[in-house]
Amino acid sequence: DGGITQSPKYLFRKEGQNVTLSCEQNLNHDAMYWYRQDPGQGLRLIYYSQIVNDFQKGDIAEGYSVSREKKESFPLTVTSAQKNPTAFYLCASRQGGSNTEAFFGQGTRLTVV
Amino acid sequence: AQSVTQLDSQVPVFEEAPVELRCNYSSSVSVYLFWYVQYPNQGLQLLLKYLSGSTLVESINGFEAEFNKSQTSFHLRKPSVHISDTAEYFCAVRDFNKFYFGSGTKLNVKP
Repeated sequence: DGGITQSPKYLFRKEGQNVTLSCEQNLNHDAMYWYRQDPGQGLRLIYYSQIVNDFQKGDIAEGYSVSREKKESFPLTVTSAQKNPTAFYLCASRQGGSNTEAFFGQGTRLTVV
Repeated sequence: AQSVTQLDSQVPVFEEAPVELRCNYSSSVSVYLFWYVQYPNQGLQLLLKYLSGSTLVESINGFEAEFNKSQTSFHLRKPSVHISDTAEYFCAVRDFNKFYFGSGTKLNVKP
């Protein structure tokens, strides 16, 4: 089955530790996205990538980093510089072209204690 | 940058009643509009999309949305809701390579 896999589903970390969230897609999509979801705030874009080895900051990139070494993979690192990292993180991908929508993974809920 | 406004954060409705979830976006030359649905602790699933052509778009489970360019709106409607429609609904607009989402509307269908 084609789709987007995020792992793990739940993640707990101590404050001050970096943590990496995994996102893998087998849809052969060109573009990939990371969003953060907080209650009542909708989805906010952290980073996005249109092609391998290239990515752009979204609206809330501070405290996060990404890489795009392979077309199918777009991991997100939440660094200790992120002041409020506890949130639900969603990865998405999209095929290139004008008439395409985003497909989402099942999300990772990160709790920092 | 685009912005998307969902005017209602929560909409309670009785089963089999009609419902409308409102969405307005900031104007642009051309946009692509989407409605997504999210069940608790899950990702977003596409409900329907407007890309071009007919301004009325429909989903397979009875939802429909109408693109109104003059009012910059893309409201979601269903003539008769079911308990299983209880979820959070997000309106989104794609402008070039970025998606902009509204803050979401929680639809609570009561028996």
